[in-house]
Amino acid sequence: SQQGEEDPQALSIQEGENATMNCSYKTSINNLQWYRQNSGRGLVHLILIRSNEREKHSGRLRVTLDTSKKSSSLLITASRAADTASYFCATETGGGADGLTFGKGTHLIIQP
Amino acid sequence: DAGVIQSPRHEVTEMGQEVTLRCKPISGHDYLFWYRQTMMRGLELLIYFNNNVPIDDSGMPEDRFSAKMPNASFSTLKIQPSEPRDSAVYFCASSNGGELSNQPQHFGDGTRLSIL
Repeated sequence: SQQGEEDPQALSIQEGENATMNCSYKTSINNLQWYRQNSGRGLVHLILIRSNEREKHSGRLRVTLDTSKKSSSLLITASRAADTASYFCATETGGGADGLTFGKGTHLIIQP
Repeated sequence: DAGVIQSPRHEVTEMGQEVTLRCKPISGHDYLFWYRQTMMRGLELLIYFNNNVPIDDSGMPEDRFSAKMPNASFSTLKIQPSEPRDSAVYFCASSNGGELSNQPQHFGDGTRLSIL
């Protein structure tokens, strides 16, 4: 079953604009991770936020986590054509390394 | 450094045939995961190993699916006999867990499997 659900399912914006994707989940988590998938490729890890963290930054990425609402958001600032991809949130619930439960993803298109 | 290596990248075979997917994790990683991706069900965890030992295989859909990890640098996922509904992209991922939690997983480029 899906733990994370991304919103929106698809997003099309102009290059240079900011893109925001949201993720909701159902159960308590150890951490939440965001991954990017380009067409025909594997998933690439972007950022991991632990359950006791509220915000994290990495380059043009900003992730927030609200455990009371069981939700997270991924913000990509100053988008580029190369950011076109599918973005997935994934939750890890175990105390140690564990399999991830993925949402169905947001397909982001950056128009030049 | 080499990432997670999967082979073959594409596999087309007829229903009823045995299919074997292969994965070489990143050297030094002690966790290995197998996922399946379909349009309908998204990404699903099938099974994962820690130090070559299967930890959780509750995601394996049927007895037709089996996975092994004979050593730290190699794992296989086998489907026998294969069915058209097994068509999907199968991903292998590895992570450096050990005593640490909160470690990212590193994915291979997947095997696109088509069962005719």
